[in-house]
Amino acid sequence: AQSVSQHNHHVILSEAASLELGCNYSYGGTVNLFWYVQYPGQHLQLLLKYFSGDPLVKGIKGFEAEFIKSKFSFNLRKPSVQWSDTAEYFCAVIIMDTGRRALTFGSGTRLQVQP
Amino acid sequence: GAVVSQHPSRVICKSGTSVKIECRSLDFQATTMFWYRQFPKQSLMLMATSNEGSKATYEQGVEKDKFLINHASLTLSTLTVTSAHPEDSSFYICSANRDPYGYTFGSGTRLTVV
Repeated sequence: AQSVSQHNHHVILSEAASLELGCNYSYGGTVNLFWYVQYPGQHLQLLLKYFSGDPLVKGIKGFEAEFIKSKFSFNLRKPSVQWSDTAEYFCAVIIMDTGRRALTFGSGTRLQVQP
Repeated sequence: GAVVSQHPSRVICKSGTSVKIECRSLDFQATTMFWYRQFPKQSLMLMATSNEGSKATYEQGVEKDKFLINHASLTLSTLTVTSAHPEDSSFYICSANRDPYGYTFGSGTRLTVV
């Protein structure tokens, strides 16, 4: 079965530090990739998505992600984090070849940014 | 944008009773909605895919007789937790897809069974 792995479960950074959160998926076919953020007490919000084309995707709030097909990875990055980035981050995948349209989520990474 | 409204946001019920959770697409029609369950500090696990006008498709291990899904209209899907037990306590989230906005999530329902 396809799966999504997020290896960083809890990350603590100081403000202005750079961020990279790992995401790997286990499927060799065509995929659509997403990063979602869940701020405390709020619903999931889309940060960015990759369907095709330029593997470097820019999203909202200064986030970007790079799709590396050979590594089955879609890591999330931000050059300089802010305290307001404290949240839970989820990577998600849709396997296009199956016709199934539900998102498969990674286990999430809790980011804590200290002022 | 696409907005999905989910109610109630919190519910406490007694063991053995049933609870209904509503998920509405406010400004678009959703032929398909998805129901997820999120345990504390864990990921979202897909429970079922709700299809308007037809039966829901349940994921393996999800009891369809316990988690009743009804998608009677293009803007409303409901999840009813029947004969709830404490182990059903969780955070339930619905989602709908609308091109080109992508997947939109409800704000979730915190169910506590006492």
